[in-house]
Amino acid sequence: DAKTTQPTSMDCAEGRAANLPCNHSTISGNEYVYWYRQIHSQGPQYIIHGLKNNETNEMASLIITEDRKSSTLILPHATLRDTAVYYCIVTGGKLIFGQGTELSVKP
Amino acid sequence: NAGVTQTPKFQVLKTGQSMTLQCAQDMNHEYMSWYRQDPGMGLRLIHYSVGAGITDQGEVPNGYNVSRSTTEDFPLRLLSAAPSQTSVYFCASSGLGTGIDQPQHFGDGTRLSIL
Repeated sequence: DAKTTQPTSMDCAEGRAANLPCNHSTISGNEYVYWYRQIHSQGPQYIIHGLKNNETNEMASLIITEDRKSSTLILPHATLRDTAVYYCIVTGGKLIFGQGTELSVKP
Repeated sequence: NAGVTQTPKFQVLKTGQSMTLQCAQDMNHEYMSWYRQDPGMGLRLIHYSVGAGITDQGEVPNGYNVSRSTTEDFPLRLLSAAPSQTSVYFCASSGLGTGIDQPQHFGDGTRLSIL
């Protein structure tokens, strides 16, 4: 499974869009990009995933570059409850978690 | 909706004791897995299973055993607990779908302390 690189931490103002980047330059053609988040000490929560097309659901949007070497998770209107660690995972099978990005949404 | 149920939620063991962490899912998912999360760290994959009777090792399998006799259950066994196994343990499940492209559902975790 390809490795990912994410910033260690980010801040976002409440109500603004949160854009979380992820680099995955060694991604293979059959590997998906997944995003999960972990709020405090709860179990990780699935957010969204994609292969090569941009995806949107009720929680977020996922933008994957044309060469698939990077992606961005967008939370369109961040709230205080979105404060969490966000994990970008590239996989063709098992989920291997990295360190993630700690997003702090501030009032 | 029960989803993924882990028991117990908390456990304290003495070094050398054995125990089994239980994980059950009611979604008829083929894929199940166990992770551990140490303080301030990401999750690390211990063992996983793609169906009843099939298990495989993840990143950190040493000291742990698993079996998958039914689709619903995937217990994790610590044969001889060590302080280094103090951690939060998460179980997850997903369908296999048309490929390995199904999101995983996680339980609430078991917080295990070994003295």
